[in-house]
Amino acid sequence: NAGVTQTPKFQVLKTGQSMTLQCAQDMNHNSMYWYRQDPGMGLRLIYYSASEGTTDKGEVPNGYNVSRLNKREFSLRLESAAPSQTSVYFCASSEVGGRTYEQYFGPGTRLTVT
Amino acid sequence: GQQVMQIPQYQHVQEGEDFTTYCNSSTTLSNIQWYKQRPGGHPVFLIQLVKSGEVKKQKRLTFQFGEAKKNSSLHITATQTTDVGTYFCAGRSFGNEKLTFGTGTRLTIIP
Repeated sequence: NAGVTQTPKFQVLKTGQSMTLQCAQDMNHNSMYWYRQDPGMGLRLIYYSASEGTTDKGEVPNGYNVSRLNKREFSLRLESAAPSQTSVYFCASSEVGGRTYEQYFGPGTRLTVT
Repeated sequence: GQQVMQIPQYQHVQEGEDFTTYCNSSTTLSNIQWYKQRPGGHPVFLIQLVKSGEVKKQKRLTFQFGEAKKNSSLHITATQTTDVGTYFCAGRSFGNEKLTFGTGTRLTIIP
């Protein structure tokens, strides 16, 4: 099992460019999440998907869109990148209904917007 | 909305000293989780606490959940270089599957 995979690992964008961050999990989890991590800010939830076909906003959704393509894949799109979106982006997944809802994280995408 | 504060933000200790990080929530939690993130890595789940006053141990790590289920702590006894990283608490409110992460405590070890 690969767990949670993310592509790309690194990306540099110019202000105004668009891109999509890809995430896939092979653990048959229902829930998937996108976080951003900035120094001193911890992990902040951008969007999440409780199940295939549903998505909901998290704490910091502005400037982002998501697509839950199927149960395995959850993508994050930046339509018009801004320097404030320079961050490390983590995708995570978890099961629902068990006793422990631990989240499994991907390796992250380090994004720089110039 | 729910806020989870964590202190201290940074901690430098000599190898062999103890380390503690504290987590406080603005609301009562249904459970709290702890994660560790090595430098350059991704967060990895350590443990979940559910019951009021619960204490769990993993080798040199001791996790506590407060009686009011609004605070938690992680204590590491006799730190080792392998303990280096950032430790995050993450709280979940009742009826909500989302986690709210604390700001993290970054632990560095002086050999």
